[in-house]
Amino acid sequence: DTGVSQDPRHKITKRGQNVTFRCDPISEHNRLYWYRQTLGQGPEFLTYFQNEAQLEKSRLLSDRFSAERPKGSFSTLEIQRTEQGDSAMYLCASSLAVLPTDTQYFGPGTRLTVL
Amino acid sequence: DQQVKQNSPSLSVQEGRISILNCDYTNSMFDYFLWYKKYPAEGPTFLISISSIKDKNEDGRFTVFLNKSAKHLSLHIVPSQPGDSAVYFCAASSSNNNDMRFGAGTRLTVKP
Repeated sequence: DTGVSQDPRHKITKRGQNVTFRCDPISEHNRLYWYRQTLGQGPEFLTYFQNEAQLEKSRLLSDRFSAERPKGSFSTLEIQRTEQGDSAMYLCASSLAVLPTDTQYFGPGTRLTVL
Repeated sequence: DQQVKQNSPSLSVQEGRISILNCDYTNSMFDYFLWYKKYPAEGPTFLISISSIKDKNEDGRFTVFLNKSAKHLSLHIVPSQPGDSAVYFCAASSSNNNDMRFGAGTRLTVKP
């Protein structure tokens, strides 16, 4: 399977704990995106990387959130001191950034539940 | 700010008939539009896209129409099949930034 993969698929944590999610993009893709999706809504943009550089962050990404893509391949999204409002599906997508038509391909997501 | 809107949360059609899913946007800077399909417990799957230089793009049973003056696009599925039952998201982006915006989705149910 050469699609976008995410790990873990599900995470249940207690409020105040830190969690980290991993995303492995399609191998030749240079852009990697993180989104958050809550029930009844479409995905909301959080941040994106071009190779290893983090080029944009949404205002949704509070100081408790940090993302890295150290070697321009896989990426991690860490949430510190989780809150119940962080419960959501976290989606990763990747693309080849062939502008202006930049088609993003999504992974299966990590569902986070904060108790 | 809801820059991409899908005003119909659900749509039900009979197998073999046409499904028409609608999407409106407000940002005139959007120049690339996509439709994604999502099954439960899976990530969105890319379905079809259209650039703002076109008004129609067709791929098999799926056709996307873009009306720039009305800031409206639609996805036509014909003939509809039960396997098409899923949530469909409309998305839009601008080549000036990489902030892709999604609608809230329309749940399509195709009845046998």
